Amino acid sequence: DTAVSQTPKYLVTQMGNDKSIKCEQNLGHDTMYWYKQDSKKFLKIMFSYNNKELIINETVPNRFSPKSPDKAHLNLHINSLELGDSAVYFCASSQDLVEPLDTGELFFGEGSRLTVL
Amino acid sequence: GQNIDQPTEMTATEGAIVQINCTYQTSGFNGLFWYQQHAGEAPTFLSYNVLDGLEEKGRFSSFLSRSKGYSYLLLKELQMKDSASYLCAAMDSNYQLIWGAGTKLIIKP
Repeated sequence: DTAVSQTPKYLVTQMGNDKSIKCEQNLGHDTMYWYKQDSKKFLKIMFSYNNKELIINETVPNRFSPKSPDKAHLNLHINSLELGDSAVYFCASSQDLVEPLDTGELFFGEGSRLTVL
Repeated sequence: GQNIDQPTEMTATEGAIVQINCTYQTSGFNGLFWYQQHAGEAPTFLSYNVLDGLEEKGRFSSFLSRSKGYSYLLLKELQMKDSASYLCAAMDSNYQLIWGAGTKLIIKP
């Protein structure tokens, strides 16, 4: 079973369109994230949700709107797509630090490669 | 500000040893992570250090010096499959990860 799964894996669309990427985790984790990785391979945090509540909202255009219907799902909707939105978007999850041996390591989905033409 | 520095690219020979360095500056510190990312794939967790010293895991070891804001990832008996990017990330006092840009490791036969 895939721990963190996101769909679609590839998305090609025109400027100005609206698109969504879905993410689900079956690890029972409390926190989920959206990261953007651009052509320079730098991972940038976009959003973080803990138990369906937004806890991180970095400087991201308000065209990007996350939605968490439950703690196992975190979807990303993007309005009015721009060329600069082309990147790989990674969903990830982590467990809250409760036990002494918990590290809070991230488990990543396979990524969704978005190409805006 | 908070930042992570690591070399952009390194080259090593199959069977050899390579050390990838990382220096960090964060507001508070709750641990240092190393992730491996093969081209076109997701990052995967390699190691976590929160106390000073060396953590060994098979061919991979990770070292931390909190006083120096420094860590390294040591890869022994390099194999071709170790060709990947290695990402250093430090967790700050708010338990947020600050990521480096990654070190692309090229292994030559």
